Amino acid sequence: DVLMTQSPLYLPVTPGQPASISCSSNETLLYSGGGVYLTWFHQRPGQSPRRLIYKVSNRDSGAPDRFSGSGSDTFFTLKISRVEAEDVGIYYCMQATHSPITFGQGTRLDIK
Amino acid sequence: EVQLVESGGGLVQPGRSLRLSCRTSGFSFADSAPTWFRQGPGKTLEWVGFIRSAAYGGAAHYGASVRDRFTISRDDSKGIAYLQMDNLKVEDTAMYFCTRNGFDIWGQGTMVTVSS
Repeated sequence: DVLMTQSPLYLPVTPGQPASISCSSNETLLYSGGGVYLTWFHQRPGQSPRRLIYKVSNRDSGAPDRFSGSGSDTFFTLKISRVEAEDVGIYYCMQATHSPITFGQGTRLDIK
Repeated sequence: EVQLVESGGGLVQPGRSLRLSCRTSGFSFADSAPTWFRQGPGKTLEWVGFIRSAAYGGAAHYGASVRDRFTISRDDSKGIAYLQMDNLKVEDTAMYFCTRNGFDIWGQGTMVTVSS
């Protein structure tokens, strides 16, 4: 199985400041038919995950434009340009290039 | 509006069975490949499995930890995906979620607790 490793695992941020979460895989996520199936989710306490970013850098229509994704091959980053209170929760990266689908451990973002 | 609603969770003893349902609306279920995930208490997410559409053969695929015990099926006429869970183990305790292709919309989840 592809191992997904996130860092940091805990991220306290002052409102208005930027934040960055890294996600690395132990195999390339470039699909043999083209495309990189790396997705970012946000999960608030007691809620289901919400997709923010798909295929590395495509932001979902409901995701604020302060969220952006980047990366390639085995290293990926989720950036929040200016953190807001509603951004608290756990962020997960997920790869769907290889079977089985696997997730990172999650990064908990808290407001200072 | 696209919606997925899971149901069927509850408390069950080890070795027993449970069937979860994922009722969908707002999109073409027959053309989709519904996927089940689960999340144990305080843990990350785990892929359980998915079922292809009839146009792609209709086969189901599973994660190693549930293969041979869980079965995913679908009723395209009703827009429902099922997760039949047999020989349940304590480690199957989790919130179970269903999603559709691309994982853009998730249900609210249904909790399964396996305990004696």
